[in-house]
Amino acid sequence: NAGVTQTPKFRILKIGQSMTLQCTQDMNHNYMYWYRQDPGMGLKLIYYSVGAGITDKGEVPNGYNVSRSTTEDFPLRLELAAPSQTSVYFCASSYSSGTGQETQYFGPGTRLLVL
Amino acid sequence: GIQVEQSPPDLILQEGANSTLRCNFSDSVNNLQWFHQNPWGQLINLFYIPSGTKQNGRLSATTVATERYSLLYISSSQTTDSGVYFCAGNSNSGYALNFGKGTSLLVTP
Repeated sequence: NAGVTQTPKFRILKIGQSMTLQCTQDMNHNYMYWYRQDPGMGLKLIYYSVGAGITDKGEVPNGYNVSRSTTEDFPLRLELAAPSQTSVYFCASSYSSGTGQETQYFGPGTRLLVL
Repeated sequence: GIQVEQSPPDLILQEGANSTLRCNFSDSVNNLQWFHQNPWGQLINLFYIPSGTKQNGRLSATTVATERYSLLYISSSQTTDSGVYFCAGNSNSGYALNFGKGTSLLVTP
């Protein structure tokens, strides 16, 4: 049981380039999330998904896109990278039965530097 | 979203000392978690504790949901306890965990 895995661990992008951050979970969780963490701060939600085919915006969605074609995978797409997107990106997953969410489990993070 | 305040922002302890970290919420939460972010940046789940008290080894946590706060106790601290401790919660109508800014803990030998 690997939990939540993310690739790559670290990436340097030039301004204007695009890339996809990969996230996979093997816990059969229905909910998945993408957060970003800026230096000295807590995490902020970018996008989330409550099931395959269903996604919605979080607090800071501008400049990002997501898709959820399977229960396991939740990739995050950066289009036209900007220096403001330099951050650490965390993917997370949890199970919700409808009576409330359970523990969110986090991946190891992807460090992104945009120059 | 819910506002989360953590205190103290920074803490330096000598190995073996005890400490209490506090988390206040601006509104009711139905999912409250404590995390330890180690020096390598990894977020480690400590407790899922929307109410009540839990203990895990030298760590314990208490949440008083009616008064919108949670406490994390670290006893007999070790250098490996160093890092940033975050609490986070979401409201009844929200999906995101709202994070505080964290308590940065340094345990010295």
